[in-house]
Amino acid sequence: GDSVTQMEGPVTLSEEAFLTINCTYTATGYPSLFWYVQYPGEGLQLLLKATKADDKGSNKGFEATYRKETTSFHLEKGSVQVSDSAVYFCALCFSGSARQLTFGSGTQLTVLP
Amino acid sequence: EAQVTQNPRYLITVTGKKLTVTCSQNMNHEYMSWYRQDPGLGLRQIYYSMNVEVTDKGDVPEGYKVSRKEKRNFPLILESPSPNQTSLYFCASSLSNSKGPQETQYFGPGTRLLVL
Repeated sequence: GDSVTQMEGPVTLSEEAFLTINCTYTATGYPSLFWYVQYPGEGLQLLLKATKADDKGSNKGFEATYRKETTSFHLEKGSVQVSDSAVYFCALCFSGSARQLTFGSGTQLTVLP
Repeated sequence: EAQVTQNPRYLITVTGKKLTVTCSQNMNHEYMSWYRQDPGLGLRQIYYSMNVEVTDKGDVPEGYKVSRKEKRNFPLILESPSPNQTSLYFCASSLSNSKGPQETQYFGPGTRLLVL
């Protein structure tokens, strides 16, 4: 079945450091890919998405590029802030699938001032 | 304000005592879904509903029931809770078209359940 693998956390960075959170997927076909973010005490929010190969999703300074050849969708940000501290989930889905999203296990990010 | 609401946000109960977690959305979404979140496992889908009176099992449906009598509401029912259902639960919703649910889901704030 479909699956998403994320790098193990927790990840702790200093403010203004460069962030990469790795995400790879296994799926039959070409899914859409997502990054969701969960701030403390809140539900998940869509951060960015990409629907086809070589697409780049971006939002709030975060970016991720859909790499079909490596089945990856790594999340990056050039300079993290304390307010970016959250849990980040990589996910995939197939358009029109009633089963919707398949999530990775999540990566806890803590940014220190 | 467009939102998905869940109640209660926190619940402590004992084994075997029936409980219901409510979920409501005000966006006129056809598709609604329940997930549970456990450490190291991410979110796993429990049940989903394509529209009123249409529900189906997700990946981990055992021990849960749902109903969809109205478009806006999608309650999650635990008839006889057990400690392995201690978890963080999220309701989500999205629009649908003829091809199925649209990709962007909107999540509620979560319900943290402890079963003793």
